[in-house]
Amino acid sequence: DAGITQSPRHKVTETGTPVTLRCHQTENHRYMYWYRQDPGHGLRLIHYSYGVKDTDKGEVSDGYSVSRSKTEDFLLTLESATSSQTSVYFCATRLDYNEQFFGPGTRLTVL
Amino acid sequence: SQQGEEDPQALSIQEGENATMNCSYKTSINNLQWYRQNSGRGLVHLILIRSNEREKHSGRLRVTLDTSKKSSSLLITASRAADTASYFCATDARSNYQLIWGAGTKLIIKP
Repeated sequence: DAGITQSPRHKVTETGTPVTLRCHQTENHRYMYWYRQDPGHGLRLIHYSYGVKDTDKGEVSDGYSVSRSKTEDFLLTLESATSSQTSVYFCATRLDYNEQFFGPGTRLTVL
Repeated sequence: SQQGEEDPQALSIQEGENATMNCSYKTSINNLQWYRQNSGRGLVHLILIRSNEREKHSGRLRVTLDTSKKSSSLLITASRAADTASYFCATDARSNYQLIWGAGTKLIIKP
């Protein structure tokens, strides 16, 4: 398995507070992704990165920002958390045009 | 937007039976991938089939791809309780760095 860790694994926060989720990989994969998973929606792409400092929006990027200052770390920030952002967040990496490798997920609850 | 749609949404079978899940997609693809997700865990890659392939096997898994119908099927033979999970298809159009995901099939294997 690719070495992908996510932190924190669980977080409860209040509406209006900023939240940062971290994804760390040890595989030197070029591509990194942030997804959210909600019942009935499958995986939805929030943002992705195709290299250091190279990022782009996915289909549900509103209210989220990302940064990638080095290959191994991809940060997802909720600028002002809302209850609609309560979800399970998955980070994934990819070496080339083949499979993605997933982290264990972060369960975020916004009260 | 989701390109892949899995069918059925849920499937419950007896241990030892075969399970078949289907995936349909909308645009031309470079490859199609199947993933498994155990409850509360990250997704795990199962198998990748390229657009110029029609069938692929991996252990008890058999995947077919019909590009003329824009559809794929995943067959799990001789099912086991440990196969209980959600199964997702994802397509790679190679026009960007993304995979497009279906909503998944929830498979329950009854002992």
